[in-house]
This record gives sequence, structure tokens and C-alpha cells, in this order.
Amino acid sequence: QQQVKQSPQSLIVQKGGISIINCAYENTAFDYFPWYQQFPGKGPALLIAIRPDVSEKKEGRFTISFNKSAKQFSLHIMDSQPGDSATYFCAASRGSARQLTFGSGTQLTVLP
Amino acid sequence: NAGVMQNPRHLVRRRGQEARLRCSPMKGHSHVYWYRQLPEEGLKFMVYLQKENIIDESGMPKERFSAEFPKEGPSILRIQQVVRGDSAAYFCASSPAQGANYGYTFGSGTRLTVV
Repeated sequence: QQQVKQSPQSLIVQKGGISIINCAYENTAFDYFPWYQQFPGKGPALLIAIRPDVSEKKEGRFTISFNKSAKQFSLHIMDSQPGDSATYFCAASRGSARQLTFGSGTQLTVLP
Repeated sequence: NAGVMQNPRHLVRRRGQEARLRCSPMKGHSHVYWYRQLPEEGLKFMVYLQKENIIDESGMPKERFSAEFPKEGPSILRIQQVVRGDSAAYFCASSPAQGANYGYTFGSGTRLTVV
């Protein structure tokens, strides 16, 4: 099964709050899990990525938490800012396959 | 140090016409990928190419769609006899030949509207 399921579809957070977006996958062969940020009219931009040999990766205000046994991973945005308002996509790929399987996206709105 | 360049940014075609979308990868990148994004949906893989070779076209519709990445010039995604269902944003991405982290860079996309 190649699907990656993402939730919620939309999220509204107050400035300074924590934004949490969740993804679940079926294919245990997936070994690379990136998150992309997309602003209107732009292409997706790589935000942060993790491999299944670690349970957490942090870069600035962005953290990926990875639960291999549950086949779930999540993006946490700390101290959310209005400039973080965008659509966020989780994705996964496996081994030598170069294609990414994307989740359906989460539209994040951070209120000032 | 230009990023992935796609053109045109917007393309309007009447049903039955041909659409040609162009993608110039980042300098030093020899792997190109095409994705399609329907409204309110995530990106769907279409095709992966290296110079003069199609490596994986498992996401390409069987008819009307084709892609190439010639030795010289940009990669081209060609859609023949377009239909309204082809209306979408088409994104190209590129990665370096030795991209160990699998991360790649997307262009800003071509928004195709079929009227």
C-alpha cells in the first residue's frame, strides 16, 4: 500500500501556539519522510526530513516526531507565526525509488 | 544560482489542443521529476527522467501524456488533445546525480487550464 494519510485537512492556531500535523503510512519499506511547505502560487519547499533510525529531529521551531512501530510521523511547529501560514505536505519514499508519495496536505492558518 | 525554472507559469488551452510544459533543472542536477497537483489535493508522481532516459513512468497516464529530457535543453512534459480533467498545476523537481539524501528542489509550477 503506497498511501500516506495526513490530518487534519485544515488547522487554525493562534500566534505563539503549537501546530501539530500528523501522517500515517502503510508501506514499511518507506525509509525517508520529508515535510514540505507550500505557499500559494509556489512550488513545495523542503522543510525538514527524517529517516526511521531516529525518533525525533529538530530544526529551529520545526520538529519531526517518528513512531516506527505505529507507522506514524508528525510535524510540530513551535511558537507558530503568521508567516508560517501555508499548506504543509508530508511525504515518503522507499529505497532506491526516487518518487515521493505525498499526503493530501494541511492548510495552516496562524492568527496574529 | 537559479533554482528549478518552469515555463510558462500559466497556460490556457482549449480542449483538443496540445500543451507543452518546460522544466530546466538546477545547475548540476541531472535527475528530473514531474508531479501533478489537482485542486485541494497533494502532489502525484508522474515520471522520473535522467538525460535522454525515462527511468520511471509509472505515474503517467497511458495515453496523451509523454515526457522527455534531451541531452541539450529543458525537460518537456507534453499533453496531447487536452481535456478539462487535465487542468491542474504541474510541478517539476530536480536532484543532483549523487543526491544521497533524496531531497529535491521543486519549481514554481505551470498552472494548466483547459477551457
